[in-house]
Amino acid sequence: AQKVTQAQTEISVVEKEDVTLDCVYETRDTTYYLFWYKQPPSGELVFLIRRNSFDEQNEISGRYSWNFQKSTSSFNFTITASQVVDSAVYFCALSGPMNRDDKIIFGKGTRLHILP
Amino acid sequence: DGGITQSPKYLFRKEGQNVTLSCEQNLNHDAMYWYRQDPGQGLRLIYYSQIVNDFQKGDIAEGYSVSREKKESFPLTVTSAQKNPTAFYLCASRGGWGHKIDRSTNEKLFFGSGTQLSVL
Repeated sequence: AQKVTQAQTEISVVEKEDVTLDCVYETRDTTYYLFWYKQPPSGELVFLIRRNSFDEQNEISGRYSWNFQKSTSSFNFTITASQVVDSAVYFCALSGPMNRDDKIIFGKGTRLHILP
Repeated sequence: DGGITQSPKYLFRKEGQNVTLSCEQNLNHDAMYWYRQDPGQGLRLIYYSQIVNDFQKGDIAEGYSVSREKKESFPLTVTSAQKNPTAFYLCASRGGWGHKIDRSTNEKLFFGSGTQLSVL
Protein backbone atom coordinates (compact mmCIF):
# COMPACT_ATOMS: atom_id res chain seq x y z
CA ALA A 1 0.00 0.00 0.00
CA GLN A 2 1.10 3.55 -0.63
CA LYS A 3 1.60 5.98 2.19
CA VAL A 4 2.96 9.48 2.66
CA THR A 5 4.03 10.75 6.06
CA GLN A 6 4.64 14.37 6.90
CA ALA A 7 5.58 14.19 10.54
CA GLN A 8 5.73 17.94 11.07
CA THR A 9 2.21 19.23 11.61
CA GLU A 10 3.18 22.86 12.07
CA ILE A 11 6.43 24.82 11.89
CA SER A 12 7.15 28.44 12.77
CA VAL A 13 10.35 30.22 11.81
CA VAL A 14 11.46 33.81 11.71
CA GLU A 15 11.77 35.42 8.31
CA LYS A 16 15.10 34.81 6.52
CA GLU A 17 15.71 31.55 8.34
CA ASP A 18 16.04 28.33 6.36
CA VAL A 19 13.42 25.65 6.93
CA THR A 20 13.12 22.02 5.83
CA LEU A 21 9.83 20.16 5.47
CA ASP A 22 10.11 16.41 5.74
CA CYS A 23 8.34 13.82 3.62
CA VAL A 24 8.69 10.05 3.94
CA TYR A 25 6.87 7.71 1.60
CA GLU A 26 6.08 4.02 1.27
CA THR A 27 5.41 2.19 -1.96
CA ARG A 28 6.01 -1.19 -3.55
CA ASP A 29 6.16 0.26 -7.05
CA THR A 30 9.51 0.59 -8.75
CA THR A 31 8.16 3.41 -10.89
CA TYR A 32 6.45 6.19 -9.01
CA TYR A 33 6.14 9.96 -8.84
CA LEU A 34 6.56 12.35 -5.95
CA PHE A 35 5.14 15.85 -5.73
CA TRP A 36 5.09 18.90 -3.54
CA TYR A 37 2.14 21.29 -3.52
CA LYS A 38 1.62 24.60 -1.74
CA GLN A 39 -1.77 25.66 -0.40
CA PRO A 40 -1.91 29.38 0.40
CA PRO A 41 -4.82 30.81 2.43
CA SER A 42 -6.89 31.14 -0.76
CA GLY A 43 -7.25 27.35 -0.74
CA GLU A 44 -6.18 26.39 -4.25
CA LEU A 45 -3.24 23.99 -4.41
CA VAL A 46 -0.23 25.19 -6.37
CA PHE A 47 2.13 22.69 -7.97
CA LEU A 48 5.77 23.07 -6.95
CA ILE A 49 7.66 20.05 -8.22
CA ARG A 50 7.36 16.55 -9.65
CA ARG A 51 10.06 13.92 -9.37
CA ASN A 52 10.02 10.41 -10.82
CA SER A 53 11.62 7.48 -9.06
CA PHE A 54 14.44 7.13 -11.57
CA ASP A 55 15.70 10.67 -11.16
CA GLU A 56 17.53 11.12 -7.87
CA GLN A 57 19.13 14.39 -8.73
CA ASN A 58 18.39 17.10 -6.26
CA GLU A 59 16.70 20.15 -7.66
CA ILE A 60 16.96 23.82 -6.91
CA SER A 61 14.52 26.49 -8.00
CA GLY A 62 15.35 29.88 -6.61
CA ARG A 63 14.99 29.69 -2.83
CA TYR A 64 13.42 26.22 -3.05
CA SER A 65 15.34 22.97 -3.13
CA TRP A 66 14.37 19.33 -2.92
CA ASN A 67 16.39 16.39 -1.66
CA PHE A 68 15.23 13.01 -2.97
CA GLN A 69 16.82 9.96 -1.34
CA LYS A 70 15.48 6.55 -2.34
CA SER A 71 17.62 4.82 0.27
CA THR A 72 15.59 6.47 3.03
CA SER A 73 12.35 6.91 1.04
CA SER A 74 12.41 10.60 1.65
CA PHE A 75 11.68 13.66 -0.46
CA ASN A 76 12.41 16.68 1.69
CA PHE A 77 11.77 20.29 0.77
CA THR A 78 13.94 23.20 1.90
CA ILE A 79 13.14 26.89 1.72
CA THR A 80 16.21 29.09 1.99
CA ALA A 81 15.95 32.63 3.35
CA SER A 82 12.24 32.23 4.07
CA GLN A 83 9.78 35.04 3.42
CA VAL A 84 6.37 35.83 4.87
CA VAL A 85 4.79 34.93 1.51
CA ASP A 86 6.00 31.36 2.03
CA SER A 87 3.46 30.94 4.82
CA ALA A 88 1.11 28.20 3.67
CA VAL A 89 0.29 24.54 4.05
CA TYR A 90 2.64 22.30 2.09
CA PHE A 91 1.66 18.84 0.91
CA CYS A 92 3.83 15.99 -0.26
CA ALA A 93 2.14 13.47 -2.56
CA LEU A 94 2.85 10.09 -4.18
CA SER A 95 1.53 8.47 -7.33
CA GLY A 96 2.07 5.04 -8.84
CA PRO A 97 3.08 4.43 -12.45
CA MET A 98 0.99 6.25 -15.01
CA ASN A 99 0.05 3.11 -16.93
CA ARG A 100 -1.89 1.61 -14.08
CA ASP A 101 -3.61 2.93 -10.98
CA ASP A 102 -3.92 6.69 -11.19
CA LYS A 103 -4.43 7.30 -7.47
CA ILE A 104 -2.45 10.11 -5.95
CA ILE A 105 -1.98 9.94 -2.20
CA PHE A 106 -1.29 13.05 -0.14
CA GLY A 107 0.34 13.47 3.22
CA LYS A 108 -1.49 15.37 5.96
CA GLY A 109 0.43 18.52 5.21
CA THR A 110 2.76 20.81 7.14
CA ARG A 111 1.52 24.26 8.07
CA LEU A 112 4.40 26.72 7.79
CA HIS A 113 4.34 30.08 9.55
CA ILE A 114 6.97 32.62 8.59
CA LEU A 115 7.11 35.29 11.25
CA PRO A 116 8.16 38.82 10.30
CA ASP B 1 -7.31 30.19 -20.31
CA GLY B 2 -7.37 26.50 -19.54
CA GLY B 3 -8.15 25.36 -16.05
CA ILE B 4 -10.53 23.75 -13.61
CA THR B 5 -13.66 25.49 -12.41
CA GLN B 6 -15.42 24.48 -9.23
CA SER B 7 -18.76 25.87 -8.22
CA PRO B 8 -20.17 27.08 -6.00
CA LYS B 9 -17.43 28.45 -3.78
CA TYR B 10 -19.65 28.08 -0.70
CA LEU B 11 -22.51 25.64 -0.27
CA PHE B 12 -24.88 24.93 2.58
CA ARG B 13 -26.72 21.68 3.10
CA LYS B 14 -29.80 21.02 5.15
CA GLU B 15 -30.35 17.78 7.04
CA GLY B 16 -31.42 14.95 4.75
CA GLN B 17 -30.61 16.88 1.59
CA ASN B 18 -28.41 15.83 -1.30
CA VAL B 19 -26.17 18.49 -2.79
CA THR B 20 -24.04 18.44 -5.93
CA LEU B 21 -20.67 20.09 -6.35
CA SER B 22 -19.67 21.01 -9.87
CA CYS B 23 -16.24 20.47 -11.43
CA GLU B 24 -15.48 21.38 -15.04
CA GLN B 25 -12.13 21.33 -16.84
CA ASN B 26 -11.12 22.50 -20.30
CA LEU B 27 -7.63 21.02 -20.22
CA ASN B 28 -8.61 17.94 -22.24
CA HIS B 29 -7.51 15.79 -19.33
CA ASP B 30 -8.57 12.16 -19.06
CA ALA B 31 -8.31 11.74 -15.30
CA MET B 32 -10.29 13.65 -12.67
CA TYR B 33 -10.34 13.44 -8.88
CA TRP B 34 -12.31 14.56 -5.86
CA TYR B 35 -10.57 15.17 -2.56
CA ARG B 36 -11.94 16.14 0.81
CA GLN B 37 -9.90 18.32 3.15
CA ASP B 38 -10.51 18.51 6.88
CA PRO B 39 -8.30 20.44 9.30
CA GLY B 40 -5.31 18.32 10.26
CA GLN B 41 -6.36 15.49 7.93
CA GLY B 42 -4.74 16.56 4.73
CA LEU B 43 -6.39 15.59 1.45
CA ARG B 44 -8.32 12.35 1.31
CA LEU B 45 -9.42 10.81 -1.96
CA ILE B 46 -13.18 10.37 -2.43
CA TYR B 47 -13.56 9.22 -6.04
CA TYR B 48 -11.50 9.32 -9.19
CA SER B 49 -12.10 8.71 -12.86
CA GLN B 50 -9.49 7.76 -15.42
CA ILE B 51 -11.79 7.92 -18.43
CA VAL B 52 -15.33 8.87 -19.43
CA ASN B 53 -18.08 6.58 -18.10
CA ASP B 54 -15.72 4.97 -15.60
CA PHE B 55 -14.81 5.85 -12.01
CA GLN B 56 -13.38 4.21 -8.91
CA LYS B 57 -13.88 4.65 -5.21
CA GLY B 58 -11.15 6.32 -3.24
CA ASP B 59 -10.46 5.95 0.45
CA ILE B 60 -13.61 7.66 1.77
CA ALA B 61 -16.33 7.09 -0.86
CA GLU B 62 -19.18 6.26 1.52
CA GLY B 63 -21.94 8.85 1.39
CA TYR B 64 -20.79 10.26 -1.95
CA SER B 65 -21.60 9.56 -5.59
CA VAL B 66 -20.13 10.75 -8.88
CA SER B 67 -20.73 10.54 -12.60
CA ARG B 68 -18.47 10.99 -15.61
CA GLU B 69 -20.72 11.36 -18.64
CA LYS B 70 -18.47 13.92 -20.30
CA LYS B 71 -14.71 14.26 -20.33
CA GLU B 72 -14.94 17.84 -19.11
CA SER B 73 -17.22 17.26 -16.15
CA PHE B 74 -17.00 15.25 -12.93
CA PRO B 75 -19.77 16.32 -10.50
CA LEU B 76 -19.77 15.08 -6.92
CA THR B 77 -23.01 14.49 -5.02
CA VAL B 78 -22.90 14.54 -1.25
CA THR B 79 -25.82 12.40 -0.20
CA SER B 80 -27.83 12.42 3.00
CA ALA B 81 -25.93 9.26 3.97
CA GLN B 82 -22.83 11.36 4.53
CA LYS B 83 -23.27 12.27 8.18
CA ASN B 84 -20.36 14.64 8.47
CA PRO B 85 -20.19 16.54 5.18
CA THR B 86 -18.71 19.79 6.44
CA ALA B 87 -15.35 20.11 4.72
CA PHE B 88 -13.43 21.77 1.92
CA TYR B 89 -13.77 19.85 -1.35
CA LEU B 90 -11.15 20.01 -4.05
CA CYS B 91 -11.45 18.78 -7.60
CA ALA B 92 -8.36 18.00 -9.67
CA SER B 93 -7.43 16.66 -13.07
CA ARG B 94 -4.39 15.42 -14.89
CA GLY B 95 -3.48 14.13 -18.32
CA GLY B 96 -3.73 10.49 -17.40
CA TRP B 97 -2.06 7.57 -19.04
CA GLY B 98 -3.77 8.10 -22.35
CA HIS B 99 -2.73 11.73 -22.59
CA LYS B 100 0.66 11.38 -24.21
CA ILE B 101 1.08 14.75 -25.84
CA ASP B 102 3.02 16.38 -23.04
CA ARG B 103 4.68 13.82 -20.82
CA SER B 104 6.36 16.50 -18.76
CA THR B 105 3.03 17.52 -17.27
CA ASN B 106 1.08 14.26 -17.55
CA GLU B 107 1.63 13.31 -13.96
CA LYS B 108 0.94 16.76 -12.53
CA LEU B 109 -2.39 17.45 -10.86
CA PHE B 110 -4.21 20.67 -11.64
CA PHE B 111 -6.58 21.82 -8.90
CA GLY B 112 -9.71 23.88 -8.78
CA SER B 113 -10.22 26.59 -6.18
CA GLY B 114 -12.41 24.41 -3.98
CA THR B 115 -15.92 24.38 -2.51
CA GLN B 116 -16.56 24.86 1.20
CA LEU B 117 -19.57 22.78 2.22
CA SER B 118 -21.29 23.46 5.52
CA VAL B 119 -24.32 21.97 7.22
CA LEU B 120 -27.18 24.25 8.30
